[in-house]
Amino acid sequence: QVQLVQSGAEVKKPGASVKVSCKASGYTFTSYEINWVRQAAGQGLEWMGWMNPNSGYRGSAQKFQGRVTMTRDTSIGTVYMEVSSLRSEDTAIYYCVRENPMVEAFDIWGQGTMVTVSS
Amino acid sequence: SYELTQPPSVSVSPGQTARITCSGDALPKQYANWYQQKPGQAPVLVIYKDSERPSGIPERFSGSSSGTTVSLTISGVQAEDEADYYCQSADSSGLYVVFGGGAKLTVL
Repeated sequence: QVQLVQSGAEVKKPGASVKVSCKASGYTFTSYEINWVRQAAGQGLEWMGWMNPNSGYRGSAQKFQGRVTMTRDTSIGTVYMEVSSLRSEDTAIYYCVRENPMVEAFDIWGQGTMVTVSS
Repeated sequence: SYELTQPPSVSVSPGQTARITCSGDALPKQYANWYQQKPGQAPVLVIYKDSERPSGIPERFSGSSSGTTVSLTISGVQAEDEADYYCQSADSSGLYVVFGGGAKLTVL
């Protein structure tokens, strides 16, 4: 079935970087953009950015520009998001999400990756 | 930066109708989508393009739009509908995605 499977939980120290992977299956990987959304404990959803797996084009929310890098490996149907210069406020669940152009919405969500930033 | 405004909470008795609103200046230009999130789970799309319902979503979920406000209506609310609901859209340029702050639906 159509699914996005993310890498496991991470614990990082302030100032470090974290790289989260998102593997797509059950559909044509290059036909749908992948977005990243995070959620701190007890808080709402926060959009971080997007990537087109076919072209490699990407964009991010102004808040994350310069600190978030998105890449992909089309041979294995996987998108990566790296966040650098981590601080405690980055502690959150990070979701990769498929954007479906037919419905102009996020129709498939990964299971989430918990990233904890703590000294 | 652009914001979508939702009420923090909505309460309703079982069988009644719940209405959750979402306001934003760009909503007349941009579609809105709605997601349901239950504790410990990833969000699920329940309404797209203001008023369309994905397959598998119960008919009691509906959406509407009027000017700068979109609404999610749940008719005949059931206990299983208790969850957080988020609206999502884009700013007027279409370049940036934004989520509302979320509304917690409590079924009394």
